Amino acid sequence: DAGVIQSPRHEVTEMGQEVTLRCKPISGHNSLFWYRQTMMRGLELLIYFNNNVPIDDSGMPEDRFSAKMPNASFSTLKIQPSEPRDSAVYFCASRGTSGRGNTGELFFGEGSRLTVL
Amino acid sequence: DAKTTQPPSMDCAEGRAANLPCNHSTISGNEYVYWYRQIHSQGPQYIIHGLKNNETNEMASLIITEDRKSSTLILPHATLRDTAVYYCIVRPLANDYKLSFGAGTTVTVRA
Repeated sequence: DAGVIQSPRHEVTEMGQEVTLRCKPISGHNSLFWYRQTMMRGLELLIYFNNNVPIDDSGMPEDRFSAKMPNASFSTLKIQPSEPRDSAVYFCASRGTSGRGNTGELFFGEGSRLTVL
Repeated sequence: DAKTTQPPSMDCAEGRAANLPCNHSTISGNEYVYWYRQIHSQGPQYIIHGLKNNETNEMASLIITEDRKSSTLILPHATLRDTAVYYCIVRPLANDYKLSFGAGTTVTVRA
């Protein structure tokens, strides 16, 4: 099992540019999460998808952020335009169907480190 | 959502047991206690979870007090690779997807 795959691992861009982060969840998992981690705020949930449908996007900072999940094996997080304060590590995580015998654990990717200059 | 309180840091000698405390005095009757850890430059990793009974798996043991107001994660034989930030999380039932990661405990295992 390859685990949750994120790309790019590192991104350096200039303020105002569009940034697209990508995630491939574990095959068979029906829930997908985007988190952001900074020193100041720790790990924050940005958005949660279930069966490709956004269920809770209350953590998305503002309209500059958008996330999509066109199918069960792919999701994107887009920032347009990017700002220096968006610099952070962005994690994608997936989870299988909750239920008996399922721990409900989240499987995290390695993260995408974004630096906006 | 129930909040958790953990010490900010702790040291442990390699080969010894590491006991990580967590207070969750406002936990509701059906809320689970979850533990994750995050090794430097990696994504968080699930360790263990429990409701009322003590739990053990290949990574750790979880001891939950009878009143459920606190718990202890035990790493039985800490290794240098166990150096990480450990998060104690109470998972709400209504929105079971919301795992709120606090500051955690930074555990440093020393040779």
